[in-house]
Amino acid sequence: AQTVTQSQPEMSVQEAETVTLSCTYDTSESDYYLFWYKQPPSRQMILVIRQEAYKQQNATENRFSVNFQKAAKSFSLKISDSQLGDAAMYFCAYRSELSQGNLIFGKGTKLSVKP
Amino acid sequence: GAVVSQHPSRVICKSGTSVKIECRSLDFQATTMFWYRQFPKQSLMLMATSNEGSKATYEQGVEKDKFLINHASLTLSTLTVTSAHPEDSSFYICSAWRRGGGNEQFFGPGTRLTVL
Repeated sequence: AQTVTQSQPEMSVQEAETVTLSCTYDTSESDYYLFWYKQPPSRQMILVIRQEAYKQQNATENRFSVNFQKAAKSFSLKISDSQLGDAAMYFCAYRSELSQGNLIFGKGTKLSVKP
Repeated sequence: GAVVSQHPSRVICKSGTSVKIECRSLDFQATTMFWYRQFPKQSLMLMATSNEGSKATYEQGVEKDKFLINHASLTLSTLTVTSAHPEDSSFYICSAWRRGGGNEQFFGPGTRLTVL
């Protein structure tokens, strides 16, 4: 069974600085998708960024980028120029190409942004 | 992005009663929807996968007779918590899977259930 591990329960970053959130996963599959979701206090899940495992190029979305290391099964999220609105819970998630689409989530990292 | 709604957003009920939560995909058809449960300060745990026109697939440890799922149309799935007890109090989140394109899941805003 696949597992997703986020080893940082909490992280803090100064406004305008850069922070990296860690995520590792375990799978025997070669085709899958990885996601980072943001859950602000409203608890609405928001997709931040996604990565297809077959793509070698790391995904980027504006201030958000990932470092995808397939061999190491690592998928970290870098947030540049952190803003107060980035404060939230961040969940790393895995989806198998073979699945019905269900996501396997890590336990989450609570990110605080200091003004 | 696509929109998924959930209703109600909050519900308080007495122990022993049943509660129905609706999940709708507003601007796309979703043959598959998912129901998650999230306890305070914890991650989302998949409860079941809801497929339009067929029986839901429940995760291990989830009582299918307690958490009834009906996916009657391509835009609506319902979760009914039957004979609710205080331990069922939680945050329930649905998501709808839009196949093709980005193959992305879109999440509803969640429903907070409190059982007294």
